[in-house]
Amino acid sequence: KQEVTQIPAALSVPEGENLVLNCSFTDSAIYNLQWFRQDPGKGLTSLLLIQSSQREQTSGRLNASLDKSSGRSTLYIAASQPGDSATYLCAVRGSSGSARQLTFGSGTQLTVLP
Amino acid sequence: NAGVTQTPKFRVLKTGQSMTLLCAQDMNHEYMYWYRQDPGMGLRLIHYSVGEGTTAKGEVPDGYNVSRLKKQNFLLGLESAAPSQTSVYFCASSYSTRGVNQPQHFGDGTRLSIL
Repeated sequence: KQEVTQIPAALSVPEGENLVLNCSFTDSAIYNLQWFRQDPGKGLTSLLLIQSSQREQTSGRLNASLDKSSGRSTLYIAASQPGDSATYLCAVRGSSGSARQLTFGSGTQLTVLP
Repeated sequence: NAGVTQTPKFRVLKTGQSMTLLCAQDMNHEYMYWYRQDPGMGLRLIHYSVGEGTTAKGEVPDGYNVSRLKKQNFLLGLESAAPSQTSVYFCASSYSTRGVNQPQHFGDGTRLSIL
């Protein structure tokens, strides 16, 4: 059974810092990995999706990398802003089941201090 | 374009009561999903549907039923609510995953408390 772990569970940084969020998964047989952002009381917003054949994806100040063989992904946020404060979740899409279901980590709660 | 809409947003039930959560999407997505989110446990898949008239069990299906009578709607039912079903419920949808690299789009959630 796929397990996804995110460390740390919470992170607080001053505005302007570059930071890295970590995600690890136990089964490397995945189709893709997705990073989401969740604001308090809201749903999930997809940030980046990395296909299993890709090494990284970039969107603005966000860069996500994937090392499938070692079961790891990182989300790099450059020049952090208070508006980046949210919970960040990673999820992997496995290779079994007709709907290729997502397995989620429990998230990293990020606070960017002004 | 509303995306994925969930109703209601909040609900308090007594143990043993029944209710139905509604999810509607306007993106013509084939696949729809129901998740629950509990503190410290991430999201877990309850049931999903790969098309109108079809449903399947996810990771934690016990105590829930679902129906997909129309492509745009996916209903989650609790026949006899239990305190353990207190959670935040999220609906999501996506295009067919035959191409597997299709992101899921989420609603804002339904916060359900069972007393």
